[in-house]
Amino acid sequence: DGGITQSPKYLFRKEGQNVTLSCEQNLNHDAMYWYRQDPGQGLRLIYYSQIVNDFQKGDIAEGYSVSREKKESFPLTVTSAQKNPTAFYLCASSIAWRDNQPQHFGDGTRLSIL
Amino acid sequence: GNSVTQMEGPVTLSEEAFLTINCTYTATGYPSLFWYVQYPGEGLQLLLKATKADDKGSNKGFEATYRKETTSFHLEKGSVQVSDSAVYFCALSDPIDSGNTGKLIFGQGTTLQVKP
Repeated sequence: DGGITQSPKYLFRKEGQNVTLSCEQNLNHDAMYWYRQDPGQGLRLIYYSQIVNDFQKGDIAEGYSVSREKKESFPLTVTSAQKNPTAFYLCASSIAWRDNQPQHFGDGTRLSIL
Repeated sequence: GNSVTQMEGPVTLSEEAFLTINCTYTATGYPSLFWYVQYPGEGLQLLLKATKADDKGSNKGFEATYRKETTSFHLEKGSVQVSDSAVYFCALSDPIDSGNTGKLIFGQGTTLQVKP
C-alpha cells in the first residue's frame, strides 16, 4: 500500500543534541511538508519542499533544518537551537504543490526532552 | 494574512445526535477548503474538500458546503457514532490566483466526544 512512513514513533532528545526525524513516501508525490503540533493547537508549518532538491522555510523554521535529496525522502533535523522541541511532528505530501491537491499525512513522531 | 477559525471544543454529543462544527476563514481570492480528522495518536486523514464556491464536499456521512458569501465551511453530520470521536481540523490552501504555494493553513482543531 502506498503511504507516508514516519520514524521513529517516539524520540527523546538530550540537551544540546541534534535529532533527525525520518519521513519516506512511496506515493510518487512531488511536494512534501513538515508540521509541528502542540497540545490544543492547530498545525504549524516548519518547512516545505515543492520539488526534489528545493525547499523553503515555513512559519516556524528557526531551530530546524531539512534536506530533499530524493523525491521520496524529506528528513527533518531538530537542532540544539530549537529551545522548545517537545511536540508532535507530522510529515505530509501532495501530488503537486499547485492545483490545491489535498495533503496526505504520516502517523507522526512524538519528540520529548530528557 | 489568511486564517481559519473553528469553534472551540470539546463538543460532547450523544450517539445519533446531529453534529455541527463551525469553521470560518479569511482569505483573498478563492482558496480550497478542507476538513481533516485526527484519531488519537495518529496523523491527519482527509475527510472532505471543496474547491469553489457552493461546492459541497461529502464523505462517510459528513458534509460541508463552501459558502463564499459568509466565508464559512461548517462540518455537519446527521447522526454521529462513538467511532466519530476525534479531533477535526478545518484548513484552507493558498488561493491559486495569489501565488499558490500548496501550503495549508489550519484552524486550531475541535475535539468531538460522542457518548453511547
